[in-house]
Amino acid sequence: AQKVTQAQTEISVVEKEDVTLDCVYETRDTTYYLFWYKQPPSGELVFLIRRNSFDEQNEISGRYSWNFQKSTSSFNFTITASQVVDSAVYFCANTGGFKTIFGAGTRLFVKA
Amino acid sequence: EAGVVQSPRYKIIEKKQPVAFWCNPISGHNTLYWYRQNLGQGPELLIRYENEEAVDDSQLPKDRFSAERLKGVDSTLKIQPAELGDSAVYLCASSLVGSPLHFGNGTRLTVT
Repeated sequence: AQKVTQAQTEISVVEKEDVTLDCVYETRDTTYYLFWYKQPPSGELVFLIRRNSFDEQNEISGRYSWNFQKSTSSFNFTITASQVVDSAVYFCANTGGFKTIFGAGTRLFVKA
Repeated sequence: EAGVVQSPRYKIIEKKQPVAFWCNPISGHNTLYWYRQNLGQGPELLIRYENEEAVDDSQLPKDRFSAERLKGVDSTLKIQPAELGDSAVYLCASSLVGSPLHFGNGTRLTVT
């Protein structure tokens, strides 16, 4: 069965600190995708990144980086030098067999 | 390109009343999803359409919820009669096969 676990319910950091959001997934599919979405206070879910199950290369995009490790079924997300505008709820998701399952989300507070 | 459009943005109704939500997906996206997001939780899939066919409605409470996607474009989700526990944000998303989901702003339903 598919499952996505985001153990951190809330994280609070001070601006310019680095922060890592954890994501652990379970799936029986051999081919699947992993995603991170951001949900700011306005409510709209915004796509951040997609990785497929055959590509374990880590990715960096500006202040964002992602670490995908199949051995531990994890897909963690790091924000470097956090900013107040990063405050949002972040969701990890897994798509297998066209079904997308979301984790419960991690609420990030970045204080000035 | 225009994003996923949902209406209304907010809806307040009394329990036992009917309610309907409308979604216009991104042009060309053959897959359409309805998700429900309860406060403090991740989105949960209610139904997925491939064109006009509902291919996954296993999580849709069929005694009171119904959905349709006429002509494989716009979709409506209906609840009749609404219950207090239906209060949530109802999200519509669309995608191409294997691509990230694009979400609308959602409809926040309050049942009193």
